[in-house]
Amino acid sequence: AQSVSQHNHHVILSEAASLELGCNYSYGGTVNLFWYVQYPGQHLQLLLKYFSGDPLVKGIKGFEAEFIKSKFSFNLRKPSVQWSDTAEYFCAVIPNTNAGKSTFGDGTTLTVKP
Amino acid sequence: ETGVTQSPTHLIKTRGQQVTLRCSSQSGHNTVSWYQQALGQGPQFIFQYYREEENGRGNFPPRFSGLQFPNYSSELNVNALELDDSALYLCASSWRGTGELFFGEGSRLTVL
Repeated sequence: AQSVSQHNHHVILSEAASLELGCNYSYGGTVNLFWYVQYPGQHLQLLLKYFSGDPLVKGIKGFEAEFIKSKFSFNLRKPSVQWSDTAEYFCAVIPNTNAGKSTFGDGTTLTVKP
Repeated sequence: ETGVTQSPTHLIKTRGQQVTLRCSSQSGHNTVSWYQQALGQGPQFIFQYYREEENGRGNFPPRFSGLQFPNYSSELNVNALELDDSALYLCASSWRGTGELFFGEGSRLTVL
């Protein structure tokens, strides 16, 4: 069975600090990888995705993530966070099949202090 | 906004009752997925519908069932409600094959 582990449940940073959120997955086949973000009072929305090709992917608002196949990891990074990045971040894995059974991590709450 | 709408936004039921939640998918999307999100957890995959047929199911009992209609809208039905069914139920639409999900705001179910 596939699983996703997000190691940090709650991260508190000051503005301009660098961010890295960990995501590890367990699955025996090829997967598509996603980071979703939920800002306070809003719905879940896509931050970035990896299907194939360059393992370093860039998303909206200056976020990027690196897929390391050997480590089954897809960590999210941002060089300098802003107060508006305060949100909950979810890593998700979807097998590269038509079944579309997706698995989400339990999320990391990021609080950025102004 | 994603264009995915869910109703109702909030509802309260008692144990043993049945509930139907509804979802209108984003225009152009042919796949709908349903998730249960308990407090402090990530969305848990319930099932996915494609062309009116169930196309993948998570670890949920048969009392969780669904439908997809020709216009790609969808319903989630839960029979014999239990206290642990209290959660936020999310609907997400997508174009089959892309995997990119567009979520609605969710329906918050409280079972007393």
